[in-house]
Amino acid sequence: DAGITQSPRHKVTETGTPVTLRCHQTENHRYMYWYRQDPGHGLRLIHYSYGVKDTDKGEVSDGYSVSRSKTEDFLLTLESATSSQTSVYFCAISGTGATNEKLFFGSGTQLSVL
Amino acid sequence: GQQVMQIPQYQHVQEGEDFTTYCNSSTTLSNIQWYKQRPGGHPVFLIQLVKSGEVKKQKRLTFQFGEAKKNSSLHITATQTTDVGTYFCGRPHQAGTALIFGKGTTLSVSS
Repeated sequence: DAGITQSPRHKVTETGTPVTLRCHQTENHRYMYWYRQDPGHGLRLIHYSYGVKDTDKGEVSDGYSVSRSKTEDFLLTLESATSSQTSVYFCAISGTGATNEKLFFGSGTQLSVL
Repeated sequence: GQQVMQIPQYQHVQEGEDFTTYCNSSTTLSNIQWYKQRPGGHPVFLIQLVKSGEVKKQKRLTFQFGEAKKNSSLHITATQTTDVGTYFCGRPHQAGTALIFGKGTTLSVSS
C-alpha cells in the first residue's frame, strides 16, 4: 500500500464545532485529493491539490476548506460541522499528474457529527 | 454534468455465477478507471481503459471500453466469495487529475 496516513481514524464531534482531518503521505506525490463516501452516493470529490498552496474545488466543496503547506500534508477543515457532514472521508494521492494516472487511497476517517 | 451512471446499484449472486456492472457517460471519455472496495476497506485501483473498444482481462475479470468511449463494463466470470465488495468506475474531472466516480455497484456472493 502507498504510504498514506489519515488521522484521526474515527472522530465524534458536535454540530457547530470545527474539525480538521489530516492526510499525510510519504510518497512525495504532487497531487492529493479529499473524497467523502456516503451510502447511495458513492465517492464524491470535495477538494484537491496540485501542489503546495495550490488547491481547487471538487463536486461537493461547500462547508469545507483545505490547506497544503507542505507536499506531504493535506488538511481538510470543516469550519462548523453539521450532521450532513457525517461521512467517511478518504484521502487519495497520485504522482506525476498525468490524466491517466491511478489514485492511491488512504484508509479513511469515520466522522460522526451529532 | 460530469456524473457517470453506474448500474446496477446492488447485485447478489450465487458463487459460481457471472456478474456484470456497467458504467455510462453522456459525454466521450478520455479514459476510465475501475476500483474495488472491500467491505470496511478503501478503494483499490483495478485497471484503466484508454482506447476505443479496448478489452482487458485480469484472470476472471474482463473490462471493456465502448467504441464511442461513453460506456464501460466489468464482467466477473464464476464469482467467488473473494469478489465481494463495491466496484467503482471513475472518469477524469475536467482537465485535471482527479476522478469523478459513479455511485458504485455492491456485489454480494453467497456460497
